[in-house]
Amino acid sequence: NAGVTQTPKFRILKIGQSMTLQCTQDMNHNYMYWYRQDPGMGLKLIYYSVGAGITDKGEVPNGYNVSRSTTEDFPLRLELAAPSQTSVYFCASRASGGAVNEQFFGPGTRLTVL
Amino acid sequence: AQSVTQPDIHITVSEGASLELRCNYSYGATPYLFWYVQSPGQGLQLLLKYFSGDTLVQGIKGFEAEFKRSQSSFNLRKPSVHWSDAAEYFCAVVGGGSQGNLIFGKGTKLSVKP
Repeated sequence: NAGVTQTPKFRILKIGQSMTLQCTQDMNHNYMYWYRQDPGMGLKLIYYSVGAGITDKGEVPNGYNVSRSTTEDFPLRLELAAPSQTSVYFCASRASGGAVNEQFFGPGTRLTVL
Repeated sequence: AQSVTQPDIHITVSEGASLELRCNYSYGATPYLFWYVQSPGQGLQLLLKYFSGDTLVQGIKGFEAEFKRSQSSFNLRKPSVHWSDAAEYFCAVVGGGSQGNLIFGKGTKLSVKP
């Protein structure tokens, strides 16, 4: 199994541009998450989804949007990129049945906004 | 609100020496606790987790952690460090609510001297 895959691995954006970070999992997990990792700050939750068609905001949602039309895919959209969105973005998924279940992480997307 | 504190930003140990990484959490009920490891440029890999039962938890790669409720701690240990253990280590607790996201500490970077 591929697990959680993310594309692209790296991206440089200009201020005001938009892009979509792709995330796909092949484990049939209902729960999916987007985190951002800033240096020395750990990971913070941007958005999450508990199943297809259901999404909600996390701790730092401003400047982002998500959708979940299928169980497998959970894309993250950046509108009007700003330098503050320079970060490493991780997608994760876990099975239903309790928060004790392991979250599986993708390899990350490193985004720079100039 | 739930929180995780990792007091040590950077630790250097000699290869073969023992290791202890500290983690303190803030959570009202019995927490679900995790340790993840992140190698440079990689995603996060689960080392071990605690949710109930025996307070000494064994993980992968020879790591273990001990849950101490009285000290609100979940310290990670390894008796003999290998050069390949050099990485960043994150302690996390499951947040409240139904979304089951992880709340991360800021991480501890481990360097290993030959």
